[in-house]
Amino acid sequence: QKEVEQNSGPLSVPEGAIASLNCTYSDRGSQSFFWYRQYSGKSPELIMSIYSNGDKEDGRFTAQLNKASQYVSLLIRDSQPSDSATYLCAVRGGAQKLVFGQGTRLTINP
Amino acid sequence: DAGVTQSPTHLIKTRGQQVTLRCSPKSGHDTVSWYQQALGQGPQFIFQYYEEEERQRGNFPDRFSGHQFPNYSSELNVNALLLGDSALYLCASSKGVGNSPLHFGNGTRLTVT
Repeated sequence: QKEVEQNSGPLSVPEGAIASLNCTYSDRGSQSFFWYRQYSGKSPELIMSIYSNGDKEDGRFTAQLNKASQYVSLLIRDSQPSDSATYLCAVRGGAQKLVFGQGTRLTINP
Repeated sequence: DAGVTQSPTHLIKTRGQQVTLRCSPKSGHDTVSWYQQALGQGPQFIFQYYEEEERQRGNFPDRFSGHQFPNYSSELNVNALLLGDSALYLCASSKGVGNSPLHFGNGTRLTVT
């Protein structure tokens, strides 16, 4: 079992709709969770961090964490073509290193 | 406020050669982590440096080594390069070794021929 798992996609969403990205992790001792956006040929850019169960909203982005289910998700409301990118879920476990999933490629169709 | 800077941006090496990649952390950050990202994959953790010592290491062979300097900058060295070492090498900095997020540099694209 991989430490952090994501559906690689591609996930295709029409412009203006809600994009939903999911991630599961294996280390129950994980304490901090992050979503990064990576455009093709560029480096990852931090868009959300979440540390406790529940929802955290920042503009059009909402991160959701459920530690009991070992599940974290990212919702993007009113999706724009500029949101087309690969989204990386990253989890910091008990060993303190930040582990990344393989990423989900998201395409927003105008 | 300078972000994380990496050099060089691109590098082409031959199998068996050695390479050194450099990283300066974001202002105010003291911890540097290195990642390898193959095409279509997520970043894979190589190691982390804090207070000039290697604190964590991923599943990479001893050919991969590093160093952190008193000004918090860092180097990644790879010896005896293999074709499979071709990847984007990412440096990320953070403050301390706790739960703070990582901030990435633009990466060094290494091609081994």
